[in-house]
Amino acid sequence: QVQLVESGGGLVKPGGSLRLSCAASGFSFSDYYMTWIRQAPGKGLEWVSYISSSGGGIYYADSVKGRFTISRDNAKNSLYLQMNSLRAEDTAVFYCARRAVSRSFDIWGQGTMVTVSS
Amino acid sequence: QSALTQPPSVSGSPGQSVTISCTGTSSDVGTYNRVSWYQQPPGTAPKLMIYEVSNRPSGVPDRFSGSKTDNTASLTISGLQAEDEADYYCSSYTSSSTYVFGTGTKVTVL
Repeated sequence: QVQLVESGGGLVKPGGSLRLSCAASGFSFSDYYMTWIRQAPGKGLEWVSYISSSGGGIYYADSVKGRFTISRDNAKNSLYLQMNSLRAEDTAVFYCARRAVSRSFDIWGQGTMVTVSS
Repeated sequence: QSALTQPPSVSGSPGQSVTISCTGTSSDVGTYNRVSWYQQPPGTAPKLMIYEVSNRPSGVPDRFSGSKTDNTASLTISGLQAEDEADYYCSSYTSSSTYVFGTGTKVTVL
């Protein structure tokens, strides 16, 4: 079945780095734009970044621009988020999601928790 | 990009209808029909309920409907059921080729 599974979350100190992964299955990964969305504890959803199907088009939220890097490996059906210079306010559950042609997010993973704390 | 504005909470009795508003600007909701709605029960990942303002994905009950007027989109749940109790978020594509989510609305079934 169509599925997204995130991994790589954990506890990291302020200023540290972490790399999240998202494994896709059940659909033609290389045909879809993919995105990362996060949710701080008890807070709402925040769009973080998306990448085009080929990887040639990339956009970021202002809050992470210059610190986070999105990438993908279509041969491995995988999406990544490299997070550097992490701050306490980056603490959140990070979801990867598939972007449909309608530009909505039609498939979501279960999320991976990132905690930035000393 | 500021978050789209939603009411913090709405409530209704089983069988009633509730409507959630989502107010943006001419740079997002007002210009694009790329407004979508997501349902998020506690402790779970969001689920797409409405896309392109008023379209329902396969499997979403027709009790859920969407509309838009100017800079404000709306989600209506008709015939409210206990299983509809969740947080709901709107989202819109923007003129900067980015996305913005709403502040979220908690729906309570009395």
